[in-house]
Amino acid sequence: GAVVSQHPSRVICKSGTSVKIECRSLDFQATTMFWYRQFPKKSLMLMATSNEGSKATYEQGVEKDKFLINHASLTLSTLTVTSAHPEDSSFYICSAGGGDYNEQFFGPGTRLTVL
Amino acid sequence: QKEVEQNSGPLSVPEGAIASLNCTYSDRGSQSFFWYRQYSGKSPELIMSIYSNGDKEDGRFTAQLNKASQYVSLLIRDSQPSDSATYLCAVTVTGTASKLTFGTGTRLQVTL
Repeated sequence: GAVVSQHPSRVICKSGTSVKIECRSLDFQATTMFWYRQFPKKSLMLMATSNEGSKATYEQGVEKDKFLINHASLTLSTLTVTSAHPEDSSFYICSAGGGDYNEQFFGPGTRLTVL
Repeated sequence: QKEVEQNSGPLSVPEGAIASLNCTYSDRGSQSFFWYRQYSGKSPELIMSIYSNGDKEDGRFTAQLNKASQYVSLLIRDSQPSDSATYLCAVTVTGTASKLTFGTGTRLQVTL
């Protein structure tokens, strides 16, 4: 399958700061990328769908001004958690979609801890 | 709200046995169906995809699809302790490019 990378893999920050997470598809051009959040022992929750060159589509209940998504190229999407608070601490995972059968390939995830 | 239903488990099988994981979905327009494996603390990994009714085999894994019954299953033969993980069923959302609806996952435990 396709290779998707995420950076950083782990980040600890102070409350009120902003954190940027990068997601790269390394071996194919992803027209669509997805951002998920997963709390411990809970299921994946889709936050937003990101299309190259256009605004992201956010799921209901996800604040677009808090979770800024940029998909500037076919291989890179970024998620910025603005003014992070402890309740934003979670496992953030991106995926790249668009294989022959619309598969999604996941990055390794970023574990965010907000103190 | 389109849904994907899975038994949360845990499903416990002895090493060497066949593990059978099941999934039902409500979106009749779904065209592609996937099984992902997720180890604790890690991101999901695609292990099987299926698009047509019937069986699809890949190594120890067999995916089965019945669109009329809106049912997808995953069989794992000769289960190994390393297969212990949560298995997520996912189906495409009609009218979207690549968007998936995920089940909550079935936790599989392979015992020695």
